[in-house]
Amino acid sequence: GQSLEQPSEVTAVEGAIVQINCTYQTSGFYGLSWYQQHDGGAPTFLSYNALDGLEETGRFSSFLSRSDSYGYLLLQELQMKDSASYFCAVGSNTGKLIFGQGTTLQVKP
Amino acid sequence: EPEVTQTPSHQVTQMGQEVILRCVPISNHLYFYWYRQILGQKVEFLVSFYNNEISEKSEIFDDQFSVERPDGSNFTLKIRSTKLEDSAMYFCASSEPRAGETQYFGPGTRLLVL
Repeated sequence: GQSLEQPSEVTAVEGAIVQINCTYQTSGFYGLSWYQQHDGGAPTFLSYNALDGLEETGRFSSFLSRSDSYGYLLLQELQMKDSASYFCAVGSNTGKLIFGQGTTLQVKP
Repeated sequence: EPEVTQTPSHQVTQMGQEVILRCVPISNHLYFYWYRQILGQKVEFLVSFYNNEISEKSEIFDDQFSVERPDGSNFTLKIRSTKLEDSAMYFCASSEPRAGETQYFGPGTRLLVL
């Protein structure tokens, strides 16, 4: 089967850096994605790693280590609007995404 | 910017009734998906669809569920006989010809079964 583990909650202050970790167990790995979801909203794509290393997109970066079945999302220069849930998800050859339980990020002033 | 649209935004139905949730994926996308999210829980995969057939379906997607692409733009999810536990937010998503990397989600249909 497939499973993903990520922390349930993280709290940080505005302007800080926060890292959200994700470990996964899967058969047939097709990349690790990160999605953001605000309350009541649709998941929005943030980042994707198919290969080991760091991917940077503005204030957001994502890292993958396939040998460790581990990845993380790094959010820099936190803003209040970054308060949301963040999901890691593993992909498959059919495009199916299996999501983790999500990490609720609360940014405080 | 192109986006995935879904109708209706909310649907209330009685247990045992049929519902059809509608989605219009992004026009040049070839892979289509349905996911659901029970309140406060994670997003769960239901089904993926490519080339007019189901690519993969989850255990949740039993005989009560079906999907259809009736024309060149719509993608529908039908639940034949709704149960209380079908109450959830249902998201449609689509992705470009290379499957899976970036999926674009619609705003969702909130289904409440009474």
